Amino acid sequence: DTAVSQTPKYLVTQMGNDKSIKCEQNLGHDTMYWYKQDSKKFLKIMFSYNNKELIINETVPNRFSPKSPDKAHLNLHINSLELGDSAVYFCASSIVDEVYNEQFFGPGTRLTVL
Amino acid sequence: GQNIDQPTEMTATEGAIVQINCTYQTSGFNGLFWYQQHAGEAPTFLSYNVLDGLEEKGRFSSFLSRSKGYSYLLLKELQMKDSASYLCAVGDSNYQLIWGAGTKLIIKP
Repeated sequence: DTAVSQTPKYLVTQMGNDKSIKCEQNLGHDTMYWYKQDSKKFLKIMFSYNNKELIINETVPNRFSPKSPDKAHLNLHINSLELGDSAVYFCASSIVDEVYNEQFFGPGTRLTVL
Repeated sequence: GQNIDQPTEMTATEGAIVQINCTYQTSGFNGLFWYQQHAGEAPTFLSYNVLDGLEEKGRFSSFLSRSKGYSYLLLKELQMKDSASYLCAVGDSNYQLIWGAGTKLIIKP
């Protein structure tokens, strides 16, 4: 009965490759997010998405793109991977129609680019 | 711009009390959250404040002063398992969470 799940948990790949990380939530939330947490442990929002709009952090390179096949899934595609993309990526979800916007996080995907 | 400030690291002794401060400047305010994150794990929700005052939940309490743009998380009767990073996050006018960099709390025996 996992609330927010991500796959894979670990991803090791070569520079220049294209990879995807999958995220699913079974909480019935309408908004999902992708965060990047680098070695300094700072949690940086990359995208937030619901069925109405996609909000992109303008500092995110366009090599990163979210894909949402339905309300319960938000996948992250990364093209032409670079060394600086190595980090832990967290997916999260919440109900955003209310003021109370508690976010529930997935277990994270540790991406290592060689 | 939007900004959340909290100390980078704190050290405390098992059994003691520690207060982790957070100051914020955001466009709008829709509540302040504290999350706990153990090394290698996902952040998990600890507390939420939207009105001024103290919210108590077991060994953990969180305080908010909206006029001062200030919050603190108070941890009592510290246990070794409380060693973790504590993240302060504020909901802005777009209901997006703006995150602080986190405070790494080290508990010593």
